[in-house]
Amino acid sequence: GAVVSQHPSRVICKSGTSVKIECRSLDFQATTMFWYRQFPKQSLMLMATSNEGSKATYEQGVEKDKFLINHASLTLSTLTVTSAHPEDSSFYICSASERRETNNEQFFGPGTRLTVL
Amino acid sequence: QQQVKQSPQSLIVQKGGISIINCAYENTAFDYFPWYQQFPGKGPALLIAIRPDVSEKKEGRFTISFNKSAKQFSLHIMDSQPGDSATYFCAARHSGYALNFGKGTSLLVTP
Repeated sequence: GAVVSQHPSRVICKSGTSVKIECRSLDFQATTMFWYRQFPKQSLMLMATSNEGSKATYEQGVEKDKFLINHASLTLSTLTVTSAHPEDSSFYICSASERRETNNEQFFGPGTRLTVL
Repeated sequence: QQQVKQSPQSLIVQKGGISIINCAYENTAFDYFPWYQQFPGKGPALLIAIRPDVSEKKEGRFTISFNKSAKQFSLHIMDSQPGDSATYFCAARHSGYALNFGKGTSLLVTP
């Protein structure tokens, strides 16, 4: 199957700093990328959907000024958590859909564990 | 509002047994129903998926049963192994939209 990578896999930062997480589709072009967050023992919660070259669509309750999403190319999307606070500590996972007319499957990255001190 | 309801929340099965996880949905526009397996600290991995034009799909030890009229689908893991111990998520999606996930089922397969 298609491969999606995330970097970094873990990050620890101080409260008030900004953190950037990268999501790359390694062997396919992704028209759409999704960002999720997952708290311990809970399901994945969709934060935003981004299409290459256009602004991201945020889910209700997700602050777009706090979680900046950029989808500059067909293989790269970034999530920047601005002025991070301890409550932003979570597991952030991206996924990408192939540029195909058929299945349109979503392939998930390995996730990024963010800890804000 | 949970668009996909998953049960049970946790499941313990003996090695060699059958694990069954159920999901139900309301939105009849959903046209893609995948199951994901997630190990601790890892991203979800697609196990198997089905579209509503078939009632069953089998891949190895994993089978999805789909009941369109009841708006339900289930995952069956045959000959369950300790390595299958993980969290399983069902999901559903309308074409072009994001996946809606169930709350997950924590499966433990005992030796």
